[in-house]
Amino acid sequence: SAVISQKPSRDICQRGTSLTIQCQVDSQVTMMFWYRQQPGQSLTLIATANQGSEATYESGFVIDKFPISRPNLTFSTLTVSNMSPEDSSIYLCSVAGTTYEQYFGPGTRLTVT
Amino acid sequence: QKEVEQNSGPLSVPEGAIASLNCTYSDRGSQSFFWYRQYSGKSPELIMSIYSNGDKEDGRFTAQLNKASQYVSLLIRDSQPSDSATYLCAVNGNNFNKFYFGSGTKLNVKP
Repeated sequence: SAVISQKPSRDICQRGTSLTIQCQVDSQVTMMFWYRQQPGQSLTLIATANQGSEATYESGFVIDKFPISRPNLTFSTLTVSNMSPEDSSIYLCSVAGTTYEQYFGPGTRLTVT
Repeated sequence: QKEVEQNSGPLSVPEGAIASLNCTYSDRGSQSFFWYRQYSGKSPELIMSIYSNGDKEDGRFTAQLNKASQYVSLLIRDSQPSDSATYLCAVNGNNFNKFYFGSGTKLNVKP
């Protein structure tokens, strides 16, 4: 399984600002995903970020709010733009290979004040 | 209808018993099925994957898949207090880039 790191692990941000979350994998992977998880809730997929193509966003998530970069097969970033308290959540990146087994990073806990 | 449905629980079992966790899915074209365990404050970790009908065993864990009934289950034998966590069922949809997670079942194993 891949080893995944995320930065930052947590942050407290002011309303109206933006935060970029980094996801680094120790091996090359094709599929990367960004999820959001509210406390006590399940995972909500934000977007799929495959290298070499534009990110695919799920219903309710737009590129202007959550721009994603995927410059290579081991790295991706998710930016949460113009934040509001409703964006307070845990943001998780995950990777998957040919078996479609997903492995998750440790998450970024974001609090917007 | 949600793509993946799970009973939210909590499911309480005594230590040493068998815990049975269930999941149904709506996309009949789904190909891959997964169980994740999530401890409070941690990210999900993969326990089992299953791709064909029948049972798949790994240690104390057995995953069961019935595509005709669109049903996946996870059995945990000899349950331990350390198994207490939320268990998430995930399904890879007909579009292989789509993953759907259930809302999770909270399992409590009582010593």
